[in-house]
Amino acid sequence: AQSVTQLGSHVSVSEGALVLLRCNYSSSVPPYLFWYVQYPNQGLQLLLKYTSAATLVKGINGFEAEFKKSETSFHLTKPSAHMSDAAEYFCAVSESGANSKLTFGKGITLSVRP
Amino acid sequence: EAGVAQSPRYKIIEKRQSVAFWCNPISGHATLYWYQQILGQGPKLLIQFQNNGVVDDSQLPKDRFSAERLKGVDSTLKIQPAKLEDSAVYLCASSFGQAGTEAFFGQGTRLTVV
Repeated sequence: AQSVTQLGSHVSVSEGALVLLRCNYSSSVPPYLFWYVQYPNQGLQLLLKYTSAATLVKGINGFEAEFKKSETSFHLTKPSAHMSDAAEYFCAVSESGANSKLTFGKGITLSVRP
Repeated sequence: EAGVAQSPRYKIIEKRQSVAFWCNPISGHATLYWYQQILGQGPKLLIQFQNNGVVDDSQLPKDRFSAERLKGVDSTLKIQPAKLEDSAVYLCASSFGQAGTEAFFGQGTRLTVV
């Protein structure tokens, strides 16, 4: 069975500082991996996804993530945080094969201090 | 391009009452998902449809929850009777369905059971 682990529930950074949100996955087959962002009272919006092409994936709003098979990780980073990045971030996994369902982690709340 | 539409946005009901949520997916998307997101947790898949057939309903509490997707387009999720623990945001999402394709989410329906 596929799953993702997002350690910690809250990350706080200063504006302009590096953002690092961690995600580790468990999958019996090569996975597809996703990062979604959720702003208050909104649905989820895709930031980026890994689908077995380049291991370094660039997404929207300056975010990127690196797939590391040896570490079963797909951490999300952004070099310089902006106040507008404050939101909840979810890592998700989908297995290759016929069933495309997404399995989500519990999410991490990012706060950005002025 | 129109996104995933959900209604209502908010609903407050008393326990043991019934409630229904409606979802209209993105045109051309064969796969439709209903997720339950309890406060502080990641979304949990309740049911997945491929066209008008059920692909996965393993986590749907079938004694009280039901869902249908007549004609393979719109979908309705019903709860009857509601319990306090059903208070959550119910998210509808749709995708083309192939492995690795992203799911597009609606804004969700926030249900409060009192």
